Amino acid sequence: DAMVIQNPRYQVTQFGKPVTLSCSQTLNHNVMYWYQQKSSQAPKLLFHYYDKDFNNEADTPDNFQSRRPNTSFCFLDIRSPGLGDAAMYLCATSRGTGYNEQFFGPGTRLTVL
Amino acid sequence: DAKTTQPTSMDCAEGRAANLPCNHSTISGNEYVYWYRQIHSQGPQYIIHGLKNNETNEMASLIITEDRKSSTLILPHATLRDTAVYYCIVNNQGGKLIFGQGTELSVKP
Repeated sequence: DAMVIQNPRYQVTQFGKPVTLSCSQTLNHNVMYWYQQKSSQAPKLLFHYYDKDFNNEADTPDNFQSRRPNTSFCFLDIRSPGLGDAAMYLCATSRGTGYNEQFFGPGTRLTVL
Repeated sequence: DAKTTQPTSMDCAEGRAANLPCNHSTISGNEYVYWYRQIHSQGPQYIIHGLKNNETNEMASLIITEDRKSSTLILPHATLRDTAVYYCIVNNQGGKLIFGQGTELSVKP
């Protein structure tokens, strides 16, 4: 089945130690999104790629970066994780920005010690 | 994008219809109503969307009032696996999903 895959499902890092979360998709969708979901809160969009075009949300901290080396893969880099960055990180895809049916992966739960 | 208002939580008996309301009184003419749900510890899942006509698919029905200021998501025969947070989102298909707090639906045996 076509899907959105996130690895790892659980990630533990130390305060200030860079961490990378990965997302891959077999849907061949043009758009890939990263959301942050803190405990008991709704998902919040960090940024998205339309093909190779990167679109950052205005309130996304500089500590968060992303890379999309090809259509299938997208990475979320957190340069210096703080305790407040502990959250579930969700990757999603859609065919295009005119299509709001987004397909979400299972998420990576990040713990910062 | 228009703001939505949903009840914080609802209960439903297993096998009965679950009717989840959403108010979006500031919706504009080109904005769609989308519903997603998020089962605990999973990513959100698309359910259905509509502009002004009622819509039905294999998961649910969406009833939009004639003035488009509110809508109701109907799960016709709720099961325990439908226990989740249900998000009503209004936007103009610009690609951005702005999630509100949603309704936590508990389906009880």
